[in-house]
Amino acid sequence: AAGVIQSPRHLIKEKRETATLKCYPIPRHDTVYWYQQGPGQDPQFLISFYEKMQSDKGSIPDRFSAQQFSDYHSELNMSSLELGDSALYFCASSSLGPGEGTQYFGPGTRLLVL
Amino acid sequence: GESVGLHLPTLSVQEGDNSIINCAYSNSASDYFIWYKQESGKGPQFIIDIRSNMDKRQGQRVTVLLNKTVKHLSLQIAATQPGDSAVYFCAEMGQGGSEKLVFGKGTKLTVNP
Repeated sequence: AAGVIQSPRHLIKEKRETATLKCYPIPRHDTVYWYQQGPGQDPQFLISFYEKMQSDKGSIPDRFSAQQFSDYHSELNMSSLELGDSALYFCASSSLGPGEGTQYFGPGTRLLVL
Repeated sequence: GESVGLHLPTLSVQEGDNSIINCAYSNSASDYFIWYKQESGKGPQFIIDIRSNMDKRQGQRVTVLLNKTVKHLSLQIAATQPGDSAVYFCAEMGQGGSEKLVFGKGTKLTVNP
């Protein structure tokens, strides 16, 4: 079965640079969620989108922005990167709208900020 | 505040034994609970879920128990196999109508052959 696709899988950036992470949800899933997982930590919710509109917002820094496109893929844009942004970034998708379906996670993007 | 936590950070079992992983949650408003398995370097993998109107749900080799009275969730894995070695997270949803998942701190399960 098709799963959530994330790209790139690994990313190395310098401080103050920008990064763009992409997420392609499971086909026919309409809701996308972004989570950040620091080393040895549990995933923390950042933001979610349903039908291309932001549906919920968590602890996402103002330096980060995200959007969902007409084909339902989503991009997380990160600017002025800091060392503390180094983490695993997961995208999850679900069907039936926000909060109604099981969230299935992608393999993640490992971001390292030097 | 929101808090989903696990009683034990690590659990070591022998292959073939049954495993029980526990989770305590603090928000009685949560109405949906999920167990995820995360292997090193991979994304959380859905194992089983349960809604607040149920107290038990069974899957293949796994059972989730929900005790709303004491706000406790557990995952039972029968005949644990080496491939079950991973970090297990419980997560809750439904606080204030939000669809975000609130994860617990994770329990690392090690299965010894």
